[in-house]
Amino acid sequence: EIVMTQSPATLSVSPGKRATLSCRASQSVSSHLAWYQQKPGQAPRLLIYGASTRATGIPARFSGSGSGTDFTLTISSLQSEDFAVYYCHQYHDWPPITFGQGTRLEIK
Amino acid sequence: QLQLQESGPGLVKPSETLSLTCAVFGGSFSGNSYNWGWVRQPPGKDLEWIGSIYDTGSTYYNPSLRSRVTMSVDRSKNQFSLILNSVTAADTAVYYCARRHILYCSDGRCFSVFDYWGQGTLVTVSS
Repeated sequence: EIVMTQSPATLSVSPGKRATLSCRASQSVSSHLAWYQQKPGQAPRLLIYGASTRATGIPARFSGSGSGTDFTLTISSLQSEDFAVYYCHQYHDWPPITFGQGTRLEIK
Repeated sequence: QLQLQESGPGLVKPSETLSLTCAVFGGSFSGNSYNWGWVRQPPGKDLEWIGSIYDTGSTYYNPSLRSRVTMSVDRSKNQFSLILNSVTAADTAVYYCARRHILYCSDGRCFSVFDYWGQGTLVTVSS
C-alpha cells in the first residue's frame, strides 16, 4: 500500500498571500497524483490531476507540481473561499487507492 | 451536469448490514471512460476508499474491508450499490459515492480520478 503523507497538518495564511501544501508518497507514484478541496459539510472537489493539470473550472491560482514521491499544491493570492481542507490522492498503484490525511488551510 | 445521490438507512445496529445505493443522473452511466466507487469519511477524520466497480460488474475492494464488502451495479436503473457486513462503531462515517474518470490506460493498467461526488450520507452504527 502506498502511504501518502501531507504537511503541514494545519497551515495559517492571510488572504491575498500564497499557500504551499506538500504531499509525499511512500514510493513513486509517477505523476499519478490528484488534489482535492473539501469544505465543511461538502464532498471533496477535484482540483488537480496528473500532478499539475487543473480540472475543469478550477481557477488558475491553483497549481500543482512534482513527480515521483514529492508533490506541491500552490494557491497564489488566497481568496476567502479557498480556506478548506486539501487532500492528495494517488492513483498509480491500487488497490488500495489511498489519500493523504489532509492539510487544513485556515485564515491567519 | 452529472449528479450522484446516495440513499439508505442512516442508522444501523452493530453486527448488522449496511446497505447504500447511489443513483446517477444527468450523464452516461455505461462506457469505457468511467467506473464508480465508494469513499467514506469518519467524523473529523480522513478519506478512505472502500471499493470501485465497472459497469461490467468487475469490482476492486480495499483489502482492509474486502471480507465484508460487496458492490453491485444495475445498469437498467443507472445505479450502483454497497453492502458492508458485520458493522461496528468504527464503520460510522459519511459515505460518498463518486465517479472515477479513466484518464488513460497503459500496459493493462488504467489511471482514474474521482471527478464527480455525491453529497454524502451519514451512517451511524449504534444500538
